[in-house]
Amino acid sequence: AQSVTQPDIHITVSEGASLELRCNYSYGATPYLFWYVQSPGQGLQLLLKYFSGDTLVQGIKGFEAEFKRSQSSFNLRKPSVHWSDAAEYFCAVGALKYSGAGSYQLTFGKGTKLSVIP
Amino acid sequence: NAGVTQTPKFQVLKTGQSMTLQCAQDMNHNSMYWYRQDPGMGLRLIYYSASEGTTDKGEVPNGYNVSRLNKREFSLRLESAAPSQTSVYFCASSERAGGYNSPLHFGNGTRLTVT
Repeated sequence: AQSVTQPDIHITVSEGASLELRCNYSYGATPYLFWYVQSPGQGLQLLLKYFSGDTLVQGIKGFEAEFKRSQSSFNLRKPSVHWSDAAEYFCAVGALKYSGAGSYQLTFGKGTKLSVIP
Repeated sequence: NAGVTQTPKFQVLKTGQSMTLQCAQDMNHNSMYWYRQDPGMGLRLIYYSASEGTTDKGEVPNGYNVSRLNKREFSLRLESAAPSQTSVYFCASSERAGGYNSPLHFGNGTRLTVT
């Protein structure tokens, strides 16, 4: 079964500083990989996704993520953080549970809460 | 465009009471999901419906039942609520079950407290 590890529960950065949120996954084949963001009191919103091709993917709000197969990682980055980026971020891996329709399963990590100091 | 709408937003139940959480999507998506979110646990899949007329168990189905009423609506029922079911419940939908091009669209959640 697939799994996702986000090693950092809480990260605090200053506004304008760079950001990297870590994500490691476990899956036997090539997974679908996603980053979602959750603002307080809201549902989750898709930031970016990866399946194949260029290992550096661009998302919304200036975020990017790099897939490194050798490290089983899919870290999220932003060059300059804004106060509005304060939220919780979830990495997710999607994989086939078994063949056939309805067999896709999305497994989420436990999340990393980002605080931004003005 | 409302997207995924969940009702109610908040609910307090006593142990043993029952209730149904409602979810509706207006994006003509085929697949719908119920997740629960608990501190430090991330999101865990309770049940999902790959298409109208089908439902399947997720990671934590015990104590819950679901109904895919039609293509738009997917309800979650707690028959006899327990304190362990205190959580934030999220409904989500996607164009189809699985696949790179079918990301999940989430509602804003229902915060349930069982005393």
